[in-house]
Amino acid sequence: GENVEQHPSTLSVQEGDSAVIKCTYSDSASNYFPWYKQELGKRPQLIIDIRSNVGEKKDQRIAVTLNKTAKHFSLHITETQPEDSAVYFCAASKRSGGSNYKLTFGKGTLLTVNP
Amino acid sequence: DGGITQSPKYLFRKEGQNVTLSCEQNLNHDAMYWYRQDPGQGLRLIYYSQIVNDFQKGDIAEGYSVSREKKESFPLTVTSAQKNPTAFYLCASRFQASPYGYTFGSGTRLTVV
Repeated sequence: GENVEQHPSTLSVQEGDSAVIKCTYSDSASNYFPWYKQELGKRPQLIIDIRSNVGEKKDQRIAVTLNKTAKHFSLHITETQPEDSAVYFCAASKRSGGSNYKLTFGKGTLLTVNP
Repeated sequence: DGGITQSPKYLFRKEGQNVTLSCEQNLNHDAMYWYRQDPGQGLRLIYYSQIVNDFQKGDIAEGYSVSREKKESFPLTVTSAQKNPTAFYLCASRFQASPYGYTFGSGTRLTVV
C-alpha cells in the first residue's frame, strides 16, 4: 500500500522566517496531495492541496510543490506568524477500488513559530 | 460545526467496557471514515464506508466495529478487545465521486480509566 514519509517531525522558526515541510510517497498512482493544519485538540483543516497534473500551487503565504518523478511534495510557509504554530499533515490519495479514494497521512510536523 | 458532528468530546472507558462514539454529518456526503490519532503517529484509518449498509476495514480495525444504517450516521464502537484504546478519534466524510473535500469532525478524546 501507499506509504507517506514526512520530515521533519518538529520545526522551530523565528517569526518572519520561512518554514518548509517535506513529504515523500511510494505509490506512483497517487494523484492528489492535500495538506492539513491541526491546532491542539482540534480538527484537521485543509489549507492547500495539489493535483498530480500541477507542479506548484500558491495561496498567499502558503505554497505547495510537487515532483512526480521523485515522488515528493513540499509545503512552504513564508513570513511565518505565531498563529501558524500547529501540527501539519501531508497526505496522498489514489483511487482504491471502485470509487473509493484512500487517503494516507504522514505522521505530522509540529511547527512552532517563536515571536 | 462544519457539518460533521462528533460526540462526546471527551469519553472515559473502564477496562472491559464497550463504548460508542457518535459521528453525524449533514453534508449529504456518501463516504465516511474513522481515524485514530496518537502522538507522533499521524492519522491511521480504522474503518470506512462508501454507502449505506456497507463498510470496509482500514489499517487498524482490530478491536473496533462500525455500522452504517443511515447516510448521515457512522458510529464507531470501541470494544473490550481493543487493548490500547486511549487516543483521539476523528471522523471524516466526503462525496463519493471525488477524492477532494475531506471534512473532519472535531474529534473525541477517549481515555481508559
